[in-house]
Amino acid sequence: EPEVTQTPSHQVTQMGQEVILRCVPISNHLYFYWYRQILGQKVEFLVSFYNNEISEKSEIFDDQFSVERPDGSNFTLKIRSTKLEDSAMYFCAGAGNNQPQHFGDGTRLSIL
Amino acid sequence: RKEVEQDPGPFNVPEGATVAFNCTYSNSASQSFFWYRQDCRKEPKLLMSVYSSGNEDGRFTAQLNRASQYISLLIRDSKLSDSATYLCVVGPYSSASKIIFGSGTRLSIRP
Repeated sequence: EPEVTQTPSHQVTQMGQEVILRCVPISNHLYFYWYRQILGQKVEFLVSFYNNEISEKSEIFDDQFSVERPDGSNFTLKIRSTKLEDSAMYFCAGAGNNQPQHFGDGTRLSIL
Repeated sequence: RKEVEQDPGPFNVPEGATVAFNCTYSNSASQSFFWYRQDCRKEPKLLMSVYSSGNEDGRFTAQLNRASQYISLLIRDSKLSDSATYLCVVGPYSSASKIIFGSGTRLSIRP
């Protein structure tokens, strides 16, 4: 079964640095999402992306965050100036039309 | 009221037992409902969608009560491999919209 793949699996970064998390969705996915999960907490929505634009974003997704899908395959999440509280698992997800979302295996982001 | 509310557990049951989880959601306009499972430090994996008429997939049965805004999951003949956190997930609108996760119910199956 095709999978959503994410890289890197673990990213360690100094506070204030920029990070880019990458995702390759399944080829027939039309809708793309980023979620995060702080250790011990629930999965939280960050942003959804459809037809090359953001369709919805949460309060967490402030000006420090951006997403793009530059080449039609990779879907990236950029955090411009990381903070300690950005430490979390970041999950990419994709979905076909009216289909459940399928998640990648996540990137653990550790901010020092 | 939380958007999606679950009993956190943990549920600790013997292998072979039947176990049931419940979940309530606050948005009556919600259109899609799911159970995901999450193993420790892994991604959520879709277990099953939940339909209004109720649905079954092997040992797993899901029910939806829209009037009470209540979703359930029943696991029969539980296996050691069923040990995980079970996430109740609700989708408000369309495919483009976010899905909202409950905090999860932790299940531990003992031999």
